[in-house]
Amino acid sequence: EDQVTQSPEALRLQEGESSSLNCSYTVSGLRGLFWYRQDPGKGPEFLFTLYSAGEEKEKERLKATLTKKESFLHITAPKPEDSATYLCAATSTAKTSYDKVIFGPGTSLSVIP
Amino acid sequence: EAQVTQNPRYLITVTGKKLTVTCSQNMNHEYMSWYRQDPGLGLRQIYYSMNVEVTDKGDVPEGYKVSRKEKRNFPLILESPSPNQTSLYFCASSSLFRGQETQYFGPGTRLLVL
Repeated sequence: EDQVTQSPEALRLQEGESSSLNCSYTVSGLRGLFWYRQDPGKGPEFLFTLYSAGEEKEKERLKATLTKKESFLHITAPKPEDSATYLCAATSTAKTSYDKVIFGPGTSLSVIP
Repeated sequence: EAQVTQNPRYLITVTGKKLTVTCSQNMNHEYMSWYRQDPGLGLRQIYYSMNVEVTDKGDVPEGYKVSRKEKRNFPLILESPSPNQTSLYFCASSSLFRGQETQYFGPGTRLLVL
């Protein structure tokens, strides 16, 4: 069964303290791996798409990387405004689920001033 | 402004009373999707649509219906709502452009079924 898991469930950082969030996926052939940010009471906001192992994408203080089994979202010198829930999602190449999107449960990040 | 809109944003109803949540996008996207978000379960896909008149089930389609008669609209229909459909619902749309899939999400509809 296709599955996406994320760790940790919650993370509390001091402002400026860099860290990484983990997304592990088990899908029948990865087609795409996505990262989103969600603020309380709002819809998820797209951050990155990764397609193949070794690929990296960067945006401001965020950098996403992909291996054959997991993806990492690295946060460098975070600021309080980076506080949010970060969601990981995957799509697979399997014929029966080609166009479905499977989300992980998310990591809730709090950055303390 | 590129956006996905949903209506209503909040809805309280009673068991068995049919309801429709509308979703509209102004980006000419082919792909549209409905999700529900529940504490501890994350976002789960209900139905999706690859284009007009093309819809398919996601992971939790039971108790829901959808239609895609126009490219911009993708309503979610609950024919006979039950309390276990109390949830936060999101509509999303995306376009395949040079291999990128970027989903734009609506603001959400919070539904309470009594």
